[in-house]
Amino acid sequence: DAGVIQSPRHEVTEMGQEVTLRCKPISGHDYLFWYRQTMMRGLELLIYFNNNVPIDDSGMPEDRFSAKMPNASFSTLKIQPSEPRDSAVYFCASSFTGSNQPQHFGDGTRLSIL
Amino acid sequence: AQSVSQHNHHVILSEAASLELGCNYSYGGTVNLFWYVQYPGQHLQLLLKYFSGDPLVKGIKGFEAEFIKSKFSFNLRKPSVQWSDTAEYFCAVTLGGSYIPTFGRGTSLIVHP
Repeated sequence: DAGVIQSPRHEVTEMGQEVTLRCKPISGHDYLFWYRQTMMRGLELLIYFNNNVPIDDSGMPEDRFSAKMPNASFSTLKIQPSEPRDSAVYFCASSFTGSNQPQHFGDGTRLSIL
Repeated sequence: AQSVSQHNHHVILSEAASLELGCNYSYGGTVNLFWYVQYPGQHLQLLLKYFSGDPLVKGIKGFEAEFIKSKFSFNLRKPSVQWSDTAEYFCAVTLGGSYIPTFGRGTSLIVHP
């Protein structure tokens, strides 16, 4: 099992640029989550999908953020335009259905917006 | 809405000291409880979980946690920590019918050799 795969691992870009983060969940998992981690706010849930359908995006900070899951093995989180306050580590996680099922996290993307 | 409180934000110990990290949640119904660990520069990974049965749960690397329903608590313990236990520890809770966990803010543990 390859685990949850995220790319890129690090991204440094200038403000105003479009940023796309990618995630491949564990095969067979039907839930996919995007989190943002910062020192100030800790771990924040941005959005989650069930069977490729977005269920709750209330954690997305503003319209500059968007997420898609075109199929069961791929999801993207896009920020356009990016701002310095978007700098954080972004994690993708996936899980099976079930309230007792743990989440499996990817290695994260460390995003720095200059 | 449910919440998860981790009262210790930073803990500093010497090797071989005993560890207890607090976790309290604010929901009176059926819950599932998790502890995750995040080693420096790495992703969160599951340490242990409780969803039914024996309230004393044993996890990897010598960690254990006890679910005390009357206190709404799920504290993490380890009798003797090692330098390699230096990490961030997160408590998480899902309600009985929900698949979406609520995470605590995390506790940063530093173990001095």
